[in-house]
Amino acid sequence: EAGVAQSPRYKIIEKRQSVAFWCNPISGHATLYWYQQILGQGPKLLIQFQNNGVVDDSQLPKDRFSAERLKGVDSTLKIQPAKLEDSAVYLCASSSLGTGTDTGELFFGEGSRLTVL
Amino acid sequence: RKEVEQDPGPFNVPEGATVAFNCTYSNSASQSFFWYRQDCRKEPKLLMSVYSSGNEDGRFTAQLNRASQYISLLIRDSKLSDSATYLCVVNRLASSYKLIFGSGTRLLVRP
Repeated sequence: EAGVAQSPRYKIIEKRQSVAFWCNPISGHATLYWYQQILGQGPKLLIQFQNNGVVDDSQLPKDRFSAERLKGVDSTLKIQPAKLEDSAVYLCASSSLGTGTDTGELFFGEGSRLTVL
Repeated sequence: RKEVEQDPGPFNVPEGATVAFNCTYSNSASQSFFWYRQDCRKEPKLLMSVYSSGNEDGRFTAQLNRASQYISLLIRDSKLSDSATYLCVVNRLASSYKLIFGSGTRLLVRP
């Protein structure tokens, strides 16, 4: 079974530039999450989708971050304009929550590592 | 106060040692608890769920104390391959499945 796919794996930009990350979850997983992981910290939830609806975006800095999951499958996370403190790994995860077969497990992609100079 | 708190470590132990990690959570309504493992520069992966009665998976034992709001992970007979960061994960609310991660405890197992 294919895992969660993310791209790009690495991105280096200058502050005030924009960047977009893409995620394709495991087939059939209704719930998709974007987490931000700063070095030395645990993953911090940015946004959670169930199908194409937002369940929680309370910690998403909406003045600069946006995310969408238009067809309930893959998702894009955008940062515009980027700040130095956005340097982090952006992890996408999916789960079967909401499909009746939920085990409570999150499956993560390998992450997109962003460096803002 | 953070919702999920862990001792960051690192715990530096010899092979064969027994090591225990604790985690405390602040929301008494939390319902589900997990330990995830994260290798250096890799994504987190589920190690084990934590059940109220405690549960064991090989060398790993997880315990939950709801009254004191803490979770523990015990690793017996440590292997070099156990070196990783162990993340405590808590479901924030009973009505919504929102997983909150601790900052992780780093374990180094030396030969």
